[in-house]
Amino acid sequence: AQSVSQHNHHVILSEAASLELGCNYSYGGTVNLFWYVQYPGQHLQLLLKYFSGDPLVKGIKGFEAEFIKSKFSFNLRKPSVQWSDTAEYFCAVNYGGSQGNLIFGKGTKLSVKP
Amino acid sequence: EPEVTQTPSHQVTQMGQEVILRCVPISNHLYFYWYRQILGQKVEFLVSFYNNEISEKSEIFDDQFSVERPDGSNFTLKIRSTKLEDSAMYFCASLGWDEQYFGPGTRLTVT
Repeated sequence: AQSVSQHNHHVILSEAASLELGCNYSYGGTVNLFWYVQYPGQHLQLLLKYFSGDPLVKGIKGFEAEFIKSKFSFNLRKPSVQWSDTAEYFCAVNYGGSQGNLIFGKGTKLSVKP
Repeated sequence: EPEVTQTPSHQVTQMGQEVILRCVPISNHLYFYWYRQILGQKVEFLVSFYNNEISEKSEIFDDQFSVERPDGSNFTLKIRSTKLEDSAMYFCASLGWDEQYFGPGTRLTVT
């Protein structure tokens, strides 16, 4: 079965530290990749997405992710985190067209200490 | 900015009772979805809906579940006879150009 793995359950960083959250997906053909964020008490919202083209994708709030096809990975990065980045981060994929259902990873909780 | 809304935010029900969770997708969207997240676990796909019929469903979406678009705006998920293991956060989503927009979720507690 197709699956998504997020390696870190809970990451604790100090402000200004760099962030990298790992995401790997199982092979299944054409894949679309997403990172969603859920701030405390809020909706899941899209940070960034990759469908094709440049494998380095820039999203909102200074986040970026790199698609490495050979490693089936789509890691999320931010050079300098802020306290306001405290949230849960979900990697997700769908296969085939964009209307396909999303397969989510378990999520990584990020806590940023001021 | 348009958003997906869900009601109620929290529903408590007794085992064996029927529940209906309601969603209002973004108005010009055509694909709709239900996902759920059991506490401490992954967000899991339940069902997708397009053109007034189910387009895809997961193994979780058994005969106890049904979806409906009763009018031009609402999209509902019905669980006929709830079980303890149905306790979860249920998220509705609708598809924009290439991105699914999620509602805030309904927390269902089955006692």
